[in-house]
Amino acid sequence: NAGVTQTPKFRVLKTGQSMTLLCAQDMNHEYMYWYRQDPGMGLRLIHYSVGEGTTAKGEVPDGYNVSRLKKQNFLLGLESAAPSQTSVYFCASVGGRAPDEQFFGPGTRLTVL
Amino acid sequence: AQSVTQLDSQVPVFEEAPVELRCNYSSSVSVYLFWYVQYPNQGLQLLLKYLSGSTLVKGINGFEAEFNKSQTSFHLRKPSVHISDTAEYFCAVSGSGGYQKVTFGTGTKLQVIP
Repeated sequence: NAGVTQTPKFRVLKTGQSMTLLCAQDMNHEYMYWYRQDPGMGLRLIHYSVGEGTTAKGEVPDGYNVSRLKKQNFLLGLESAAPSQTSVYFCASVGGRAPDEQFFGPGTRLTVL
Repeated sequence: AQSVTQLDSQVPVFEEAPVELRCNYSSSVSVYLFWYVQYPNQGLQLLLKYLSGSTLVKGINGFEAEFNKSQTSFHLRKPSVHISDTAEYFCAVSGSGGYQKVTFGTGTKLQVIP
């Protein structure tokens, strides 16, 4: 099993450009999450999904959109990138309903110039 | 609402010395507590978790943590650290049920000095 994978690993954008980050998991997990990690701020939840076809906002959703058309994939979109979105983005997934271990991808390092 | 406080942003410690990384939480409901480790340029991986039962939890790589409900703490300890333990450590709290919202602390960087 590959676990949780993220594409791409690195990306540099100019202000105003758009892009999509892809997260894929092969563990048949129901719950998936997108976080951003910034120095001194830990991980902050952007959006999450409790199942195929459902998404919801986390604590810092502005400027991002998500889609979960297939259970194994969770896409994060930036419609018009801003320098404030320079960050490392992590995807995670969880299998069951009870609070339990989150499995993380390796991250995507995004720089917006 | 739930929150996590990691008071120490950096902890330097000599190799083979003991270490304690502090974590305090607040929550209005029953909590589930986790410690994750992040090695440079990698994602987070679980060290240990407290869901219920014994308040002393043992994890991977010789780490352990104790859940103290009265002090709302979940400190992480290791009796003898190695160079390979150099990493950033995150404490996290989750409430029961729902979509498993997890709140992470701001992290503690453990630097093991040879």
